[in-house]
Amino acid sequence: NAGVTQTPKFQVLKTGQSMTLQCAQDMNHNSMYWYRQDPGMGLRLIYYSASEGTTDKGEVPNGYNVSRLNKREFSLRLESAAPSQTSVYFCASIFGRGQGSTKLNTEAFFGQGTRLTVV
Amino acid sequence: KNQVEQSPQSLIILEGKNCTLQCNYTVSPFSNLRWYKQDTGRGPVSLTIMTFSENTKSNGRYTATLDADTKQSSLHITASQLSDSASYICVVSLMFSGGYNKLIFGAGTRLAVHP
Repeated sequence: NAGVTQTPKFQVLKTGQSMTLQCAQDMNHNSMYWYRQDPGMGLRLIYYSASEGTTDKGEVPNGYNVSRLNKREFSLRLESAAPSQTSVYFCASIFGRGQGSTKLNTEAFFGQGTRLTVV
Repeated sequence: KNQVEQSPQSLIILEGKNCTLQCNYTVSPFSNLRWYKQDTGRGPVSLTIMTFSENTKSNGRYTATLDADTKQSSLHITASQLSDSASYICVVSLMFSGGYNKLIFGAGTRLAVHP
């Protein structure tokens, strides 16, 4: 059981180049997420997919696109990289565990991260 | 505005000592609160999850407390070890319809344990 796998682990791009970050989970989770982590800040949501076939914008979607290829895979694409997109990117998936009358106890699993530098 | 604030930003302690990290949140409606450990260069790993009805939960030397009335949580680390050196992130979850969980992240507390 590999959990959440992200590739690549490191990447350097020139301004204007494009690339796709890959994410796959083998836990049969419905919901998958892409976050970015910048120094001194909490993780910020870029895009999410609540279920296969659906995607929605998070807090900071500008400059990114996503594809939920199937239940396992959720990719993040930078069409024209900018220095402001230099960051560490994390993919996550969430498993819903039990359901009470008011809330759902959930577990979130994160990938190892992709450190992206745009020069 | 939904926010999660952690204190202190950073902390240095000696091996074997105890420490307590704080988390205050202004998130509503509240679903659950989590603490994650993030080692340098790695993704966050879950330590505890608490719903509003739980006021304490332990995971080995880690004990989290939650006061849903005052919207405060703490993470207590007992008998610290060098391997505890990491960032500790408080995350509050909102539940929306359709199965989407919105996670609100704190900026984290960076803990360094020195020998």
